Amino acid sequence: EDQVTQSPEALRLQEGESSSLNCSYTVSGLRGLFWYRQDPGKGPEFLFTLYSAGEEKEKERLKATLTKKESFLHITAPKPEDSATYLCAVRAYNQGGKLIFGQGTELSVKP
Amino acid sequence: DGGITQSPKYLFRKEGQNVTLSCEQNLNHDAMYWYRQDPGQGLRLIYYSQIVNDFQKGDIAEGYSVSREKKESFPLTVTSAQKNPTAFYLCASRNEVIKRDTEAFFGQGTRLTVV
Repeated sequence: EDQVTQSPEALRLQEGESSSLNCSYTVSGLRGLFWYRQDPGKGPEFLFTLYSAGEEKEKERLKATLTKKESFLHITAPKPEDSATYLCAVRAYNQGGKLIFGQGTELSVKP
Repeated sequence: DGGITQSPKYLFRKEGQNVTLSCEQNLNHDAMYWYRQDPGQGLRLIYYSQIVNDFQKGDIAEGYSVSREKKESFPLTVTSAQKNPTAFYLCASRNEVIKRDTEAFFGQGTRLTVV
């Protein structure tokens, strides 16, 4: 069964303290892996798409990487405005249009 | 502006009532999705549609129904058969491109509460 697991469930950082969020996935054939940011009471906002192992994408303080089993979202020198829930999702070749989400990592950055 | 519009933002349902959540997109996307989000849980797929007049059940379709009569619209009905409907409902759409996978864009959600 295709599955996505994110860790940790919650992460508390001090402003400027870099860290990484993990997304482990089990799919029969990965078509794409997606990272989203979600603020409380809002819909998820798209961040990155990764297609193949070794691929990396960057946006401001965020960098996403992909291996054959997992993806990392690295946050460098975070600011309080980076506080949000970060969601990972995958689409597999054998699942048609389905997007499968992990449970998310709630990030809190304190000044 | 292009985007996905969900309405209403808040919805209250009485026990035994059916309610319909609206989702409209003007992005000309082929695929549309409905997800349910509960506190501390990820998004769970209710239904999805890759083309007009066709849709598939997701992982938690029981107690829900959908229609896809127009490309722009994908309404979700929460029926009285759904035993625990209180949740945050999210609609998304995606452009189907054969050679690469594309991201889904989300609406701002509808919070449904049973009273």
